[in-house]
Amino acid sequence: GAGVSQTPSNKVTEKGKYVELRCDPISGHTALYWYRQSLGQGPEFLIYFQGTGAADDSGLPNDRFFAVRPEGSVSTLKIQRTERGDSAVYLCASSLVVTADTQYFGPGTRLTVL
Amino acid sequence: AQSVTQPDIHITVSEGASLELRCNYSYGATPYLFWYVQSPGQGLQLLLKYFSGDTLVQGIKGFEAEFKRSQSSFNLRKPSVHWSDAAEYFCAVVPQAGNKLTFGGGTRVLVKP
Repeated sequence: GAGVSQTPSNKVTEKGKYVELRCDPISGHTALYWYRQSLGQGPEFLIYFQGTGAADDSGLPNDRFFAVRPEGSVSTLKIQRTERGDSAVYLCASSLVVTADTQYFGPGTRLTVL
Repeated sequence: AQSVTQPDIHITVSEGASLELRCNYSYGATPYLFWYVQSPGQGLQLLLKYFSGDTLVQGIKGFEAEFKRSQSSFNLRKPSVHWSDAAEYFCAVVPQAGNKLTFGGGTRVLVKP
């Protein structure tokens, strides 16, 4: 079956601009996660959704970052007033259930802020 | 604080040789443990996972890992490496009642012909 998909695969933007990153999880997966992977590091947790609600957003670095999942499927990560330090690969994952289930990752969106 | 440590940043191994990647975790209680592989331009692919039971876990692509509670370790092994195993490998943990994966810094594996 289809895996997790993310669009765009690459996004180049200028400092101060607004960007949206999209994630399509595996069909039927109730939990959706966003991680950020900076160059040379392991992924770091940003936020996860159980259904439509953000169950834990403790990893979002500041209030410029926001994510939604209005219908419990597709999710959008939104970054306002982008900064050069936001440059990273943004990974999305989904799992069938929330608690300690295997997370399946998408290919990521590489964001470059000039 | 909870943490995952992968002591080796880079490992170079000859094709056909054995490979062992180290992973140590620091958690209040034994978490669930995972190994993922990331090839250039690819997403993270799950190699294997340990939740409970037999401490020697078999995964895909000929990989296995051994959980050692006394050492808080979950080392990944492969008896004979193929050139296609060149990639970055990440150890990750999640609390048994939790959901957020915590990753180590990764080990980049280079395979010499």
